[in-house]
Amino acid sequence: NAGVTQTPKFQVLKTGQSMTLQCAQDMNHNSMYWYRQDPGMGLRLIYYSASEGTTDKGEVPNGYNVSRLNKREFSLRLESAAPSQTSVYFCASSEAGGGSYYGYTFGSGTRLTVV
Amino acid sequence: KNQVEQSPQSLIILEGKNCTLQCNYTVSPFSNLRWYKQDTGRGPVSLTIMTFSENTKSNGRYTATLDADTKQSSLHITASQLSDSASYICVVSRPSGNTPLVFGKGTRLSVIA
Repeated sequence: NAGVTQTPKFQVLKTGQSMTLQCAQDMNHNSMYWYRQDPGMGLRLIYYSASEGTTDKGEVPNGYNVSRLNKREFSLRLESAAPSQTSVYFCASSEAGGGSYYGYTFGSGTRLTVV
Repeated sequence: KNQVEQSPQSLIILEGKNCTLQCNYTVSPFSNLRWYKQDTGRGPVSLTIMTFSENTKSNGRYTATLDADTKQSSLHITASQLSDSASYICVVSRPSGNTPLVFGKGTRLSVIA
């Protein structure tokens, strides 16, 4: 059982380049999330998808776009990368919304550096 | 403002010793509180979850407590092992909203031989 799979694990981009972070879950979860984790800060929500076909902004959505491709896959796109987007990105999924008793399953993260 | 504060920021203990990590929160309304363990280079993994009515929850050598009146939680680790070296994150959930989960910054625990 793979859980939540993120690709790539590492990436270096030049300022202005674009890229898509991929995330897939095999637990038949309804909700999926993208977080970023920066040194000295808690995880911050970028975008989430409460169910297939819906997406909503989180706490720090600027500079990002998302696509809920199907129930399994939720991608995060950086259209024009900036050094401020250097971070570790985590995808997570849950059976129901974040305020419920259901926990989140996190992927192992993508470490992104923008130079 | 909805916040979760954890202390200490970092901690070094000898293998076999016990330790307690603290979490204070101002999140309201409250749904539940989780402790996550995050190994270096990995995603967080849930250790325990507690609702408003639960005071204590154990998971092996990990015991979490919750005082909903004072909005404080603690995570006690008994007989620490080298594999306990990780960041421990306190996460408080609200019933709904765009950002129902509020994450603490974590406590970095290092267990040394």
